[in-house]
Amino acid sequence: DTAVSQTPKYLVTQMGNDKSIKCEQNLGHDTMYWYKQDSKKFLKIMFSYNNKELIINETVPNRFSPKSPDKAHLNLHINSLELGDSAVYFCASSQVVLAEAKNIQYFGAGTRLSVL
Amino acid sequence: AQSVAQPEDQVNVAEGNPLTVKCTYSVSGNPYLFWYVQYPNRGLQFLLKYITGDNLVKGSYGFEAEFNKSQTSFHLKKPSALVSDSALYFCAVRAIVGFKTIFGAGTRLFVKA
Repeated sequence: DTAVSQTPKYLVTQMGNDKSIKCEQNLGHDTMYWYKQDSKKFLKIMFSYNNKELIINETVPNRFSPKSPDKAHLNLHINSLELGDSAVYFCASSQVVLAEAKNIQYFGAGTRLSVL
Repeated sequence: AQSVAQPEDQVNVAEGNPLTVKCTYSVSGNPYLFWYVQYPNRGLQFLLKYITGDNLVKGSYGFEAEFNKSQTSFHLKKPSALVSDSALYFCAVRAIVGFKTIFGAGTRLFVKA
């Protein structure tokens, strides 16, 4: 069974469109993340939710909106897609112990977004 | 502020030789340090972590890393490289309190047969 699954795996779309990427984890974790990996493989945190509450919100255009309907899901909606949004987006999850930070993150396989 | 530096974009090593992938970090207080590996078209996979205790940490696939507080380094090592070790390696640091893990820029390891 896949621990962290993202759909779709590939997403090709035109500029200006709105698209969503879905993420689900079956590990029972309480924290989920979205990362963006650019063409140079640099990995940057975008958002994190802990128990459905937004806890990390990096400097990301407000065209990007995460939604966490429950602890096991964290979806990413992107409005008005731009060329610069082309990247691989990774979802991850972890179990955070309060006041400790030694948790391991488990990553999905990624969604490769290409904006034409 | 937390930061991680991986000074080498790529490391080339012959199969059977030892390998080292370098990482230095900056964080307030004691660090939690991690190494992750990414194979082509895959997500990152956890390799090992340093939390406390012995400075030499052993992880998956025969990898180990040494925490050096004075040099603020956490270099990844393996005594004998395999071609299958070829991948992208990320060092990451996290402060004791908080949810944010900062990843380095990644180092591509290429092991030649």
